[in-house]
Amino acid sequence: DAKTTQPNSMESNEEEPVHLPCNHSTISGTDYIHWYRQLPSQGPEYVIHGLTSNVNNRMASLAIAEDRKSSTLILHRATLRDAAVYYCILREPGGAQKLVFGQGTRLTINP
Amino acid sequence: EPEVTQTPSHQVTQMGQEVILRCVPISNHLYFYWYRQILGQKVEFLVSFYNNEISEKSEIFDDQFSVERPDGSNFTLKIRSTKLEDSAMYFCASSALDTQYFGPGTRLTVL
Repeated sequence: DAKTTQPNSMESNEEEPVHLPCNHSTISGTDYIHWYRQLPSQGPEYVIHGLTSNVNNRMASLAIAEDRKSSTLILHRATLRDAAVYYCILREPGGAQKLVFGQGTRLTINP
Repeated sequence: EPEVTQTPSHQVTQMGQEVILRCVPISNHLYFYWYRQILGQKVEFLVSFYNNEISEKSEIFDDQFSVERPDGSNFTLKIRSTKLEDSAMYFCASSALDTQYFGPGTRLTVL
């Protein structure tokens, strides 16, 4: 399973943008970059995913480096509800492919 | 918005007893998964299921574990003879293709 590297923790202030980095230097050509998050005492929650181009949805933006060896999840205006562990996961396309979770980045949001 | 549901939310059992954890995936999804998370540790993949068969299972998913889709809506995880180390949160997930949607989890406590 292709590995990702994320900082253990990050801190930000409410209503400010947050950039969560992820390194995946051994990514294969077919791996998609997925981001999930886990709020306290809840199951993981899908955030966003992409292959090569930058992606936007209502929750976040995903910026993917041109060489695909790194990516950044962007929360445009963090709220207290965004405090969670964020996981960057590489996954091959297609159903039934498992998610391999690492330790993720614990994001703290200060009021 | 459709969601994955799991019952019970908390199950306490004695070591050696059988437990069945139940999940109702999102109705039009075809792929089903179980993951577990021991307190303070990473989320770990157990098994994926498609077309009434196991697609992939991890080393954790030994002969004590089984999964079943007994009808068109439920997806169950059975642990035949529970051990103390089976105490964890168990998350069910389902997907139409790439994006997995997780349930809130069942906390299993083995005494």
